[in-house]
Amino acid sequence: AQTVTQSQPEMSVQEAETVTLSCTYDTSESDYYLFWYKQPPSRQMILVIRQEAYKQQNATENRFSVNFQKAAKSFSLKISDSQLGDAAMYFCAYIGIQGAQKLVFGQGTRLTINP
Amino acid sequence: DVKVTQSSRYLVKRTGEKVFLECVQDMDHENMFWYRQDPGLGLRLIYFSYDVKMKEKGDIPEGYSVSREKKERFSLILESASTNQTSMYLCASSSVQGTSTDTQYFGPGTRLTVL
Repeated sequence: AQTVTQSQPEMSVQEAETVTLSCTYDTSESDYYLFWYKQPPSRQMILVIRQEAYKQQNATENRFSVNFQKAAKSFSLKISDSQLGDAAMYFCAYIGIQGAQKLVFGQGTRLTINP
Repeated sequence: DVKVTQSSRYLVKRTGEKVFLECVQDMDHENMFWYRQDPGLGLRLIYFSYDVKMKEKGDIPEGYSVSREKKERFSLILESASTNQTSMYLCASSSVQGTSTDTQYFGPGTRLTVL
């Protein structure tokens, strides 16, 4: 079975600094998608960024980028120029393209932004 | 924009009560999901549905059932609520077509407390 591990339960960063959230996963599949979701306090979970495993190029979305290392099964999220609105729980998630479209989530990392 | 709504943000029930949590999506998505979110455990899949009247068990289906009579609506049922079902429940939907394949869109969540 696929598993996703986020080893940092909590992280904090100064406003305007850069922070990297870690995620590792375990799978025997060769093709899959990886995601980072953001859940602000008392607000809806939203997609931050997504990466297709067959793509070599790391995905980017404005201040958010990933470092996808397929061989190492690592998928970290980098947030540049951190803003107060980035404070949230961040979840890493995996989905294989074979069979059921079941997202497997990590435990989450709570990110605090210090002004 | 995709919109996923859930019937209640907060719910308090007593042990043994039958509880209905409802989820509605407005984007004609084929797939719908129910997750449970607990601190330190991330999100765990309870049930999912690929089509009307179709359901499949997720990772933690015990104590829950679901109903999908219409494409846009997916209900989670706790037949006899217990205190260990106190949790945050998240509904999600996704399409199997187009560029949004595999991206799940989440509702705001229902925080259920069972006394």
